[in-house]
Amino acid sequence: EVQVVESGGGLVQPGGSLKLSCVASGFTFSGSAMHWVRQASGKGLEWVGRIRSKANSYATAYAASVKGRFTISRDDSKNTAYLQMNSLKTEDTAVYYCKGGYPYLGNDYWGQGTLVTVSS
Amino acid sequence: SYELTQPPSVSVSPGQTARITCSGDALPKKYAYWYQQKSGQAPVLVIYEDNKRPSGIPERFSGSSSGTMATLTISGAQVEDEADYYCYSTDNNDNQRVFGGGTKLTVL
Repeated sequence: EVQVVESGGGLVQPGGSLKLSCVASGFTFSGSAMHWVRQASGKGLEWVGRIRSKANSYATAYAASVKGRFTISRDDSKNTAYLQMNSLKTEDTAVYYCKGGYPYLGNDYWGQGTLVTVSS
Repeated sequence: SYELTQPPSVSVSPGQTARITCSGDALPKKYAYWYQQKSGQAPVLVIYEDNKRPSGIPERFSGSSSGTMATLTISGAQVEDEADYYCYSTDNNDNQRVFGGGTKLTVL
């Protein structure tokens, strides 16, 4: 059974930092690119960024809205991906989802999300 | 930055065909993916690589792409298909992934 579980969300003040974790099981994590996607309350999905596999040099890419503030990393030995969020703004408030798998094969796996609230 | 454009809403009666469009300049060269998201739930992939259906997705869901437009078609839409639908693709450089703004499908 495939499981993707995000954790680390919570309340943080503007300008603060938070690190999210995403633990996956049930598929070949090491070969999968891992993405982070967010959704503000009542709004649409927004792609945040991704990290590719070791075979693809762990290449990262980010949305313009978070570039320079957010960093994605992974630890294949722990089947875990991370999202380090710095210089947080109120507009970063959202549910953050982690997704992985092999969508070009129809295998696409999402967690249930973790809520990040940026507020004073 | 790259954008995908969807209509905000589509409404059909049960048993009718629903079509949701997605336009983007890179779609002639890049695949479109479609997600269904019901209230309070994580998104579910319903179409990948323009027109392929993942295991477990009903046959009434189909996809197509021509030029700068991709289309999700739900043939014989059912009440349980009411959801938000998002297209998803990448820019020409394969760096920026993007979701369309989402289309709320109403079946009543």
